Amino acid sequence: NAGVTQTPKFQVLKTGQSMTLQCAQDMNHNSMYWYRQDPGMGLRLIYYSASEGTTDKGEVPNGYNVSRLNKREFSLRLESAAPSQTSVYFCASGTYTEAFFGQGTRLTVV
Amino acid sequence: KQEVTQIPAALSVPEGENLVLNCSFTDSAIYNLQWFRQDPGKGLTSLLLIQSSQREQTSGRLNASLDKSSGRSTLYIAASQPGDSATYLCAVKTGANNLFFGTGTRLTVIP
Repeated sequence: NAGVTQTPKFQVLKTGQSMTLQCAQDMNHNSMYWYRQDPGMGLRLIYYSASEGTTDKGEVPNGYNVSRLNKREFSLRLESAAPSQTSVYFCASGTYTEAFFGQGTRLTVV
Repeated sequence: KQEVTQIPAALSVPEGENLVLNCSFTDSAIYNLQWFRQDPGKGLTSLLLIQSSQREQTSGRLNASLDKSSGRSTLYIAASQPGDSATYLCAVKTGANNLFFGTGTRLTVIP
């Protein structure tokens, strides 16, 4: 009963490096989301995908790109990492009613 | 823009006490409100979800209430246990595609 699976769990990047955070869900949800969590600021929406083939910007999309590869997978890419992108990243999937979250990726950009 | 506030930011109580966590939101046009638990270094676990038409939801020792018109929700935890120590987050859903989160209340239950 995997739910929402994120990889990797931890990552350290140097400024300017690129990487992709992977997310997969096995609950057959149409909607998927990427959030970041920073101390004192709560979780903020980066991008979301209402269905396969569609993506839309959330509250803090600058510096990120996403791909909804199929119904199960939704990836988040940092093209040129910056120290301001140091955060914990959460992927979620859900119905119109409820959201289910992965365990998070702790990213440090030095 | 929806703003969600949780007070207090941190709370310590002795084991066995009943306690209340507060959540307020600025825009009452919500679809639902969800309470989550987050353990250190972990993801979010959904505890209770209240639809906008509901007044409260209960699960075991947890009871969540919603007063949409005043923009408030409370999470009541009865007979607290050390295992309840975690950060509790509330989030409101205002449409199809976003949850607005509060910054959480960090609860410590002292044995």
